[in-house]
Amino acid sequence: KQEVTQIPAALSVPEGENLVLNCSFTDSAIYNLQWFRQDPGKGLTSLLLIQSSQREQTSGRLNASLDKSSGRSTLYIAASQPGDSATYLCAVGYNFNKFYFGSGTKLNVKP
Amino acid sequence: GAGVSQSPSNKVTEKGKDVELRCDPISGHTALYWYRQSLGQGLEFLIYFQGNSAPDKSGLPSDRFSAERTGGSVSTLTIQRTQQEDSAVYLCASSLARRPTRNQPQHFGDGTRLSIL
Repeated sequence: KQEVTQIPAALSVPEGENLVLNCSFTDSAIYNLQWFRQDPGKGLTSLLLIQSSQREQTSGRLNASLDKSSGRSTLYIAASQPGDSATYLCAVGYNFNKFYFGSGTKLNVKP
Repeated sequence: GAGVSQSPSNKVTEKGKDVELRCDPISGHTALYWYRQSLGQGLEFLIYFQGNSAPDKSGLPSDRFSAERTGGSVSTLTIQRTQQEDSAVYLCASSLARRPTRNQPQHFGDGTRLSIL
């Protein structure tokens, strides 16, 4: 079974800080990798999707990188805001659209 | 609304009963996914539909679980003879493309919170 690990499990930072969330996976034969945000009691919202042939994607203050050979991805959040507080999940996609999720990083950005 | 709709939002039932969870995907989305999110297991992939067909059902936890999709739209996830370990939030997602892309990602519903007494 593919394993996806996210570090740290929780993170608390003051507003304005730049931060990095980490995701690692054991099977590098991936099709794509996605970063999601989940607010309490809600479903997931897709933030960024990186195809296996790509190395990074950017959207606003978010930047996600992918290193397939080492089985790692990072999500960089610039100039964090209290509204960024949520749980961030990494999902690795394989054949037949099977997705394996990490357990998430719970982020708290303090005003 | 224009999003993925799941019903019921909450379901409490006794051990041994059957339950049926419903997912209405975004209109026109051909791909549909079911996931389970529990405290001990994190978010777990269950099954994927392309149209009405599920190419791989190996993610379903046991033969008590089944899923179907009709008319390329609504999907139901059925759990027979529920057990306490089935308690979790069941999430459904849909996407326009056969595989999610940057511009056509998976869109998630808010889930059904299932509690087995």
